[in-house]
Amino acid sequence: SQQGEEDPQALSIQEGENATMNCSYKTSINNLQWYRQNSGRGLVHLILIRSNEREKHSGRLRVTLDTSKKSSSLLITASRAADTASYFCVYMNYGGSQGNLIFGKGTKLSVKP
Amino acid sequence: GAGVSQSPRYKVAKRGQDVALRCDPISGHVSLFWYQQALGQGPEFLTYFQNEAQLDKSGLPSDRFFAERPEGSVSTLKIQRTQQEDSAVYLCASSLSGGTKETQYFGPGTRLLVL
Repeated sequence: SQQGEEDPQALSIQEGENATMNCSYKTSINNLQWYRQNSGRGLVHLILIRSNEREKHSGRLRVTLDTSKKSSSLLITASRAADTASYFCVYMNYGGSQGNLIFGKGTKLSVKP
Repeated sequence: GAGVSQSPRYKVAKRGQDVALRCDPISGHVSLFWYQQALGQGPEFLTYFQNEAQLDKSGLPSDRFFAERPEGSVSTLKIQRTQQEDSAVYLCASSLSGGTKETQYFGPGTRLLVL
């Protein structure tokens, strides 16, 4: 399987704490994306980091990428109950169609108020 | 603006029944993707269209699955003779041109339950 793997599979924290999720992938990439999925808003793109970038910020999100280790991390600072969702590390498959996404199994984050 | 819409949102089918799932992509988006998401898993690619051309159907699990996009906008995913293992959420996504740096915008999905 080409799927990436997120770690941990589930994470439960208190509101205000930081949440860190990790991802490992198996192939060469041009970029890596993180998506969030919850019952209210469905699957939503959060952030994209290119292979020549090491770190990227967007609001309370910080993403790192280490292409030598084929790994990425997503940090959510000052978490809120509304951050409760599943988070997926996603990259594109270049072997097949031009841009279908490969998803991992996701990290299920629960933020308790 | 309007996002990707899918209908129906929920579908219950008896085993052996045919179903048709509809996707309305964002207006003007050239590329359209279908994904299947089993419970507790991430979405998995099924098929991809660029305009009306189906460029990749390598993810379709069997010949019971068929997708079309005849006029390059609305797409339909059809599943014939449904089986219990077809129960999943079917997600549609569209992107402006389908390039490797394009963000894909997902619809809310159709949750299919085959009894």
